[in-house]
This record gives sequence, structure tokens and C-alpha cells, in this order.
Amino acid sequence: SQTIHQWPATLVQPVGSPLSLECTVEGTSNPNLYWYRQAAGRGLQLLFYSVGIGQISSEVPQNLSASRPQDRQFILSSKKLLLSDSGFYLCAWSTRGAYTEAFFGQGTRLTVV
Amino acid sequence: KQEVTQIPAALSVPEGENLVLNCSFTDSAIYNLQWFRQDPGKGLTSLLLIQSSQREQTSGRLNASLDKSSGRSTLYIAASQPGDSATYLCAVRKFSSGSARQLTFGSGTQLTVLP
Repeated sequence: SQTIHQWPATLVQPVGSPLSLECTVEGTSNPNLYWYRQAAGRGLQLLFYSVGIGQISSEVPQNLSASRPQDRQFILSSKKLLLSDSGFYLCAWSTRGAYTEAFFGQGTRLTVV
Repeated sequence: KQEVTQIPAALSVPEGENLVLNCSFTDSAIYNLQWFRQDPGKGLTSLLLIQSSQREQTSGRLNASLDKSSGRSTLYIAASQPGDSATYLCAVRKFSSGSARQLTFGSGTQLTVLP
């Protein structure tokens, strides 16, 4: 069966520090991978998605970047965090194709202080 | 632009009640609709996936319906239990020219089932 791992679960970082959140998927190949952010009281916002190694699409301009160095690994990064980067970050995967189901990781609570 | 709305934003019911959560979307050009459950501080758990050609899906005490032409979906929970307390999110996968068809989420309904 497929599983998705996301870490760390919680993170407190000072303003201006770098960020690296990691997500890996097991039990599948060539998945579509996604990074979402969930702000308090708001819906999920898609930040990045990837259809293959090295292929990253950004949905919103921001202080963050994403990379996919391996087929089942997706990394969310920042060189210098802002207070507004605080939130709940979720990684997700789906199989290729239009009529597919999405599966989410357990999320990372990021607090920038 | 696809917009997804969930009403009510919060709902509190006594244990044992049957209840309905509502989801509406503005653009009927979708591949499918997915219902999720989110516990506080946790990720999303997929509950039901309804393809655009389907009318409903069932899993245990949960039944989800889809009326694509009117842009509506409902999640029916039978015989609610305190363990059903969570936030329920619906999301639609829209037609896209890109190869990764993104989900558009509603803001969720926070359900509390009182013992």
C-alpha cells in the first residue's frame, strides 16, 4: 500500500532563517506531488505541484520554493523565512491521470517567530 | 475561476443524529469531487471520491452525493458519534490543460458531535 511521510511535525523558526520541509511517498511510482498551505480559518492553498523529477510549477508568488530531486521526494524550502510564512503545510500525492484521488501527509506546523 | 463553498461553517449535534454537510461549486467542469476529514492539527484523510459520472458513493455510515449540473454535493453521516467530530472538507478536481489537475478546496465544516 502507498504511504506518505512528512516531517518535521512541528517547527519553530526565527525570521530570516532558512527552511526545509521534506515529503516522501512510498509504494507508488511517478506520482504527482503537491505542497499546500492551510492558514488559520482559511481553506487550503496550493503552493507547488510537480509531475516529475525536476519539474516544478508554482501557483502563487511567494518566499518559498520547491524541488523534486527524486521521483518520490518533494522538498519545500525558503532561504529567509518571513512571519507571514507561518502556517500548516501539507504534502499530497496522486497518481497520474484526471480521475485520480489525492492523499495527504500529516502536515507540518510552522511557526515563524 | 472555480470556487467551492461549504455550509454551514460549524455544526453541533447530539450523538445519534443523522446529519448532512453541504458543498457547492461554481464550475461544473470537474473530473471528480473528494470529501476529506481533518482532525485538529492533523493532515487530511480521504473519505469518499465521487467521479463526475457518478451520483453517489457510500462507505460505512457515510454517503456522498454529487449533482454536477447544479454544482452541489452532500455528505450524509448516519447515526453520528463523538468520534465523528472533526472538520470536513470537500474539494473538486477541475478540468485543466495542465497534466496535474489541481484540487480546489472549500473552507470546511467543523462538526462537533455531543455525547
